[in-house]
Amino acid sequence: EVELLESGGGLVQPGGSLRLSCAASGFPFNTYAMSWVRQAPGKGLEWVSGISGSGGTTYYADSAKGRFTISRDNPKNTLYLRMNSLRAEDTALYYCARDSGVGAAPNWYFDYWGQGTLVTVSS
Amino acid sequence: DIQMTQSPSSLSASVGDRVTITCRASQSISSYLNWYQQKPGKAPKLLIYAASSLQSGVPSRFSGSGSATDFTLTISSLQPEDFATFYCQQSYNRVTFGGGTKVEI
Repeated sequence: EVELLESGGGLVQPGGSLRLSCAASGFPFNTYAMSWVRQAPGKGLEWVSGISGSGGTTYYADSAKGRFTISRDNPKNTLYLRMNSLRAEDTALYYCARDSGVGAAPNWYFDYWGQGTLVTVSS
Repeated sequence: DIQMTQSPSSLSASVGDRVTITCRASQSISSYLNWYQQKPGKAPKLLIYAASSLQSGVPSRFSGSGSATDFTLTISSLQPEDFATFYCQQSYNRVTFGGGTKVEI
C-alpha cells in the first residue's frame, strides 16, 4: 500500500526557515517523480515544486524559485522541501504527492497524496 | 503561464442529479487535463486523467471530456459521498490548478 507521511510543519516567523519531510513507502520510490503542492487555509491548490525520480532534475513554481529547495534521499525513501525567507503568504497545508508515471520525466499529475503538514508563517 | 478557469465556483444539487463542471484553459493544452475531488479535511483524490481516462477505483458515474481549451467533468447521478470540491489541473506545461468547484446540497 502506498503511503506518504509529511512532517516538519509548524509556526515560523517571517523570514525564517523550515524543512519539510515526506516519508514514502509501498512503492519503488526512486522510480517516481514527486511534487509538493500547497493549499492556503480555505483556498485552492497550488503546485510548489517537483523532482525527478533520480533527483537530478528539479522544478519550481515562480512563487518558490530562489527561496525553496526540493531534494530527495532515495535510500531513505524520503522527499524534502527546504523553505527559506518565509512569508505570510506561504502559510498553507503542504502536501507531498506522487507523480503518476514511472520514468525519467514527470507526467505532472498525481495519483497518491499525503495528508499534509501545516506551515504557519506569523510573528 | 497557463491559467485554468473553472465554472461555476459552487453549485447546489440533489442526490440523483446530473452535474456538469467546466474548465477552460488560457491556451490549448491538448488532452493534458486532470480532475481531482477533495473532501473537507482530506487530501485531493485523482478522478480523471488525460481528459477522459478514469482513474482505477473511481466509480463510472464520473466522466470527463474535452480537448484543447474546453473540458467538462460530469457526474451522471450524484451520490451523497460526492459532495466535495472538484479541481481541474493542466499537465501540459508543469502544473496549474483551477480555482475549484464546490458541490453542495
